[in-house]
Amino acid sequence: DTGVSQNPRHKITKRGQNVTFRCDPISEHNRLYWYRQTLGQGPEFLTYFQNEAQLEKSRLLSDRFSAERPKGSFSTLEIQRTEQGDSAMYLCASRSMTGANEQYFGPGTRLTVT
Amino acid sequence: SQQGEEDPQALSIQEGENATMNCSYKTSINNLQWYRQNSGRGLVHLILIRSNEREKHSGRLRVTLDTSKKSSSLLITASRAADTASYFCATASSGNTPLVFGKGTRLSVIA
Repeated sequence: DTGVSQNPRHKITKRGQNVTFRCDPISEHNRLYWYRQTLGQGPEFLTYFQNEAQLEKSRLLSDRFSAERPKGSFSTLEIQRTEQGDSAMYLCASRSMTGANEQYFGPGTRLTVT
Repeated sequence: SQQGEEDPQALSIQEGENATMNCSYKTSINNLQWYRQNSGRGLVHLILIRSNEREKHSGRLRVTLDTSKKSSSLLITASRAADTASYFCATASSGNTPLVFGKGTRLSVIA
């Protein structure tokens, strides 16, 4: 299967711990997006990359959030000093620069901060 | 912040009936997209309509766009139990900007 994959699918952590999530996009897609989704809401955009360049990061929720895509392939999203309010589904999506800008989403990582 | 606002928030219909969901947005757009999300899963792209288009079809899906009213509708005909999901509209102000999603409509199709 060549869809978007995310790991882990579920993460339970204690408040104050750091967590890192990984996203592997569809291989020929050079745009990669991170979203956060809380219960009953639509996805909320966080940041995105074109190849290895992070083109928008002002929407990251605080300076505890950071993302990387070092070789323009997979990406990681890190949350430092987690808080209970960080509990959410973190979604990754990718798209090709050709054609229309529909995005292909991964299954998400559900984070629970206790 | 969320640009789109879906209506209704929840919809329950019998299998075989048509389901209509509406989306309103606030600023000018380049395109509007509809996505489906099954419970606890990622989103699946359904259909994209550009700002210069008024109607688009894909299988049992029909999407309309009225840019003067800043609104769109998604019609699912002959619904099936497998259509049970949340449906989101998402807008893009240009072909390359990130998507802005609404809060979604939860559709339940009862067999």
